[in-house]
Amino acid sequence: GAVVSQHPSWVICKSGTSVKIECRSLDFQATTMFWYRQFPKQSLMLMATSNEGSKATYEQGVEKDKFLINHASLTLSTLTVTSAHPEDSSFYICSAATDSNQPQHFGDGTRLSIL
Amino acid sequence: AQSVTQLGSHVSVSEGALVLLRCNYSSSVPPYLFWYVQYPNQGLQLLLKYTSAATLVKGINGFEAEFKKSETSFHLTKPSAHMSDAAEYFCAVSEGNSGGYQKVTFGIGTKLQVIP
Repeated sequence: GAVVSQHPSWVICKSGTSVKIECRSLDFQATTMFWYRQFPKQSLMLMATSNEGSKATYEQGVEKDKFLINHASLTLSTLTVTSAHPEDSSFYICSAATDSNQPQHFGDGTRLSIL
Repeated sequence: AQSVTQLGSHVSVSEGALVLLRCNYSSSVPPYLFWYVQYPNQGLQLLLKYTSAATLVKGINGFEAEFKKSETSFHLTKPSAHMSDAAEYFCAVSEGNSGGYQKVTFGIGTKLQVIP
């Protein structure tokens, strides 16, 4: 149980393109979803926390207009990297939890490469 | 505020040898502590967690960790390494009863190499 699916797993696109990443909880309802970014040889850095039906809470230094997060249902959150540039290339990982008293379950990540 | 320090970004052990991955934490409130494993190009899988119950926590794949408040440590061990244990391991902390499983702070990770 507690499976989180992330799609796509790998995307390569040109600079200036907007890219949407989906995060789905397959067998549970996720009140809260989290988006992380992981640079090579570094740890995961929390970008934002989203609760279903409300605006996401972004961490300091993360541009909310650059990284658009939508959590419209209890099983789906999306992260859109708008007008992506090479410096946005990274590994993006989502996680989901039923509530704050339950552990986060992680997706398999999306490797984004901007040319 | 909370933080995690993982000593040793790379650890090499022989197959069959003891695995010891070190983690020290800092937290202003009683913490929850976690160990996660990450295989290449994959997300994180929870190995085990400490949530203020038993201080010795057993996880999946034969791993265990002991919460030592006096040492602010949560080291991960496995008696006998297997080739399939080669991966990156992340220690993490959250604010326990104050924040549950939210606001998890991850360590920088330790890459475990298992030598045949």
